[in-house]
Amino acid sequence: SYELTQPPSVSVSPGQTARITCSGDALPKQYAYWYQQKPGQAPVLVIYKDSERPSGIPERFSGSSSGTTVTLTISGVQAEDEADYYCQSADSSGTVFGGGTKLTVL
Amino acid sequence: EVQLVESGGGLVQPGGSLRLSCAASGFTFSSYWMSWVRQAPGKGLEWVANIKQDGSEKYYVDSVKGRFTISRDNAKNSLYLQMNSLRAEDTAVYYCARDYYELSYDYVWGSYRYTEYFDYWGQGTLVTVSS
Repeated sequence: SYELTQPPSVSVSPGQTARITCSGDALPKQYAYWYQQKPGQAPVLVIYKDSERPSGIPERFSGSSSGTTVTLTISGVQAEDEADYYCQSADSSGTVFGGGTKLTVL
Repeated sequence: EVQLVESGGGLVQPGGSLRLSCAASGFTFSSYWMSWVRQAPGKGLEWVANIKQDGSEKYYVDSVKGRFTISRDNAKNSLYLQMNSLRAEDTAVYYCARDYYELSYDYVWGSYRYTEYFDYWGQGTLVTVSS
């Protein structure tokens, strides 16, 4: 299966915009999904099919895609958004997750 | 309300076996693919296996092929993971997840598009493989 590459960490101040990227060769042809995981908790789906937001997820979470890179954008970051974020995609060889990005709210 | 509750984790010696269970409620279990996803301590997420609604298709990550078996009982709304020949590297929290899976043909790219994501997760059960 192919790989998805994320930066290990991203830091932003409250109220600013956080952008977390995920790169993979198959991303132009396959959808990407994003999960938020807080310490000791199960992951939560925050974006599906590149840019769709599940019900109950705040509007400040958005997703976009360009070529081999997808981006999770969190606008007006709040302290409660501090968490690990994982991208995920699937192809004929199975499902793969990125290594995760720790978002720190300064 | 969708609920997924895992059980069966614990401490097992290398080479041993363990069977995980996941009790599902709040949705029509027989209408969904289901998956197991694991997370080693301090590490990222790793998809382990999934199973089609009727159990006719099952897929595994390479590292567990031949050792783990996923199964389901739709009458009991339950998902299982039989883990044999366990290794230290199998130590992880194992999550049961509802799996939205769809295969479609993309005429623009001339290839199949795999739609698969996990919209509900259990709280996980810890498996520790150690002597």
